[in-house]
Amino acid sequence: ETGVTQTPRHLVMGMTNKKSLKCEQHLGHNAMYWYKQSAKKPLELMFVYSLEERVENNSVPSRFSPECPNSSHLFLHLHTLQPEDSALYLCASSQSTGLVSYNLPLHFGNGTRLTVT
Amino acid sequence: DAKTTQPPSMDCAEGRAANLPCNHSTISGNEYVYWYRQIHSQGPQYIIHGLKNNETNEMASLIITEDRKSSTLILPHATLRDTAVYYCIVTGRGGSYIPTFGRGTSLIVHP
Repeated sequence: ETGVTQTPRHLVMGMTNKKSLKCEQHLGHNAMYWYKQSAKKPLELMFVYSLEERVENNSVPSRFSPECPNSSHLFLHLHTLQPEDSALYLCASSQSTGLVSYNLPLHFGNGTRLTVT
Repeated sequence: DAKTTQPPSMDCAEGRAANLPCNHSTISGNEYVYWYRQIHSQGPQYIIHGLKNNETNEMASLIITEDRKSSTLILPHATLRDTAVYYCIVTGRGGSYIPTFGRGTSLIVHP
């Protein structure tokens, strides 16, 4: 039990499908993050939410759409993905004391392994 | 964030100490050294962090050189379950710092 739960653990989707990844944290944190980890590449930061506001968006294509309805939940909505989007998608959380003020360390979930066919 | 350099891979015999080095020669005075590890098919797990003093917890020890330009993570009695990729990250602890992960060191613990 990591305190950060991601569902589903595995997802296979076609390029025309729409799906969503879900992340829930039970740590009382108020900052949440999406990272992408492609095979043999370092983790890439995608989005950051702090106090439920999106504060970071690292030039991610619009086919990825994040949503943070409250400080405990984070979603990543997927549509018309490409095969190169196949990767491990990791959610993390941390404490935050302001919109752009984060207290480390990050706490990660175990990720969703996404395969786009 | 300051850049870090880690060896791409290391191996260690089970029961022996694993010493994982990290160079961070451009570290600034208010930056911390953090270590995470990632076991295959899991998310990264926080291990330990330090500013300038050596630190120890139930998982590992962190030795930071006096000039703070390098550090070593020590797993005192490595087990097979310690096989993972270990990331050394230098970043501010608070403020607008978000950790940037490099490629880390792949540690293989063998019987």
